[in-house]
Amino acid sequence: NAGVTQTPKFRVLKTGQSMTLLCAQDMNHEYMYWYRQDPGMGLRLIHYSVGEGTTAKGEVPDGYNVSRLKKQNFLLGLESAAPSQTSVYFCAAEGTLDSGANVLTFGAGSRLTVL
Amino acid sequence: TQLLEQSPQFLSIQEGENLTVYCNSSSVFSSLQWYRQEPGEGPVLLVTVVTGGEVKKLKRLTFQFGDARKDSSLHITAAQPGDTGLYLCAGATSGTYKYIFGTGTRLKVLA
Repeated sequence: NAGVTQTPKFRVLKTGQSMTLLCAQDMNHEYMYWYRQDPGMGLRLIHYSVGEGTTAKGEVPDGYNVSRLKKQNFLLGLESAAPSQTSVYFCAAEGTLDSGANVLTFGAGSRLTVL
Repeated sequence: TQLLEQSPQFLSIQEGENLTVYCNSSSVFSSLQWYRQEPGEGPVLLVTVVTGGEVKKLKRLTFQFGDARKDSSLHITAAQPGDTGLYLCAGATSGTYKYIFGTGTRLKVLA
């Protein structure tokens, strides 16, 4: 009953280094999202995907790239990390309840620090 | 840019007290959701409201969607330490970003 799994949970990078965050879901949902959470700013959408092979920019996409090669996986990449990208990153998959309402299921988050 | 403002930002109360958290916007939403987030975890859905004026109750929590579908409130009766957490509202639209999250209300209930 994993739902959405994010790896790694913690990472420290030096400015200019690259890394990839992995999000995996076992719910067969089409829509997946990457958010960043910063104090006092709520959750801001970085990129999202409406299905395998498709991605789109969200509110704050600069400095990030994403890929959705397989339906169950949504990868978030930082090509050249900057201190401004220090944040907690959350992945979410969107499903539909029996009532017809949509719901986001979130992963536990990945805390990234860029020195 | 659509914004969802929550108030208060921080709230520290004694066990047994009542409280209300507000979520306001100038935009109209097709539905509005409330999530609770605990430290080190992702947000977890509490409720979805879809009809203007709708009221939903979840044990001691009462959620209301404004008549014009621009605002919502969360009322907690007889708060308990287990209610401690970050409460987030999220408005759903048919636009590009689909979900707009509020700035959050951090609640601490003291025993």
